[in-house]
Amino acid sequence: DAGVTQSPTHLIKTRGQQVTLRCSPKSGHDTVSWYQQALGQGPQFIFQYYEEEERQRGNFPDRFSGHQFPNYSSELNVNALLLGDSALYLCASSLGSGLARETQYFGPGTRLLVL
Amino acid sequence: KQEVTQIPAALSVPEGENLVLNCSFTDSAIYNLQWFRQDPGKGLTSLLLIQSSQREQTSGRLNASLDKSSGRSTLYIAASQPGDSATYLCAVRGGAGGGADGLTFGKGTHLIIQP
Repeated sequence: DAGVTQSPTHLIKTRGQQVTLRCSPKSGHDTVSWYQQALGQGPQFIFQYYEEEERQRGNFPDRFSGHQFPNYSSELNVNALLLGDSALYLCASSLGSGLARETQYFGPGTRLLVL
Repeated sequence: KQEVTQIPAALSVPEGENLVLNCSFTDSAIYNLQWFRQDPGKGLTSLLLIQSSQREQTSGRLNASLDKSSGRSTLYIAASQPGDSATYLCAVRGGAGGGADGLTFGKGTHLIIQP
């Protein structure tokens, strides 16, 4: 059973560019959450997708957007990249049963460097 | 706004010692609390999940406790081994500003077990 997978593993962009990161959830999971982890910090919640809609959003600007596909995979898009967007981007999947008791399973992350 | 604090920020102990990592959160209205392990440059591995109605959870040499009313959790690691070296992250689900879906993380405790 494949766990959560993310692509690409590493990415280098320049300021002002746009980037798309991808995530496939663990088999059987229908909910995807995205987190940003700056160096030396804990992950920060960006948003969560369930049934192809954004269900909750953290304190991130509109430059950060996402999408969930019918097969439950998800994309994170970041426009107008800033140097401060350099971070490890983590995807987590879970069961969107509406119960908050479910564990979130994390992928290996995508390391983004903005020059 | 929910805030999570982990103490100490770093810890180095000889192999074989028992140790305790601490986590505190500001809003006790949480759904659950989760402890994760993160190896350098990698994603997060879930260690233990404690529901708000529970007091503790155990897995092998790990034991996590939760005192929701005081906003505290501890992770106890028995008979530490060099392979336990990693960053340990505490995360809560729920509380003011945290919502029902996104996790709020601490900055982690960087643990080194000396052979």
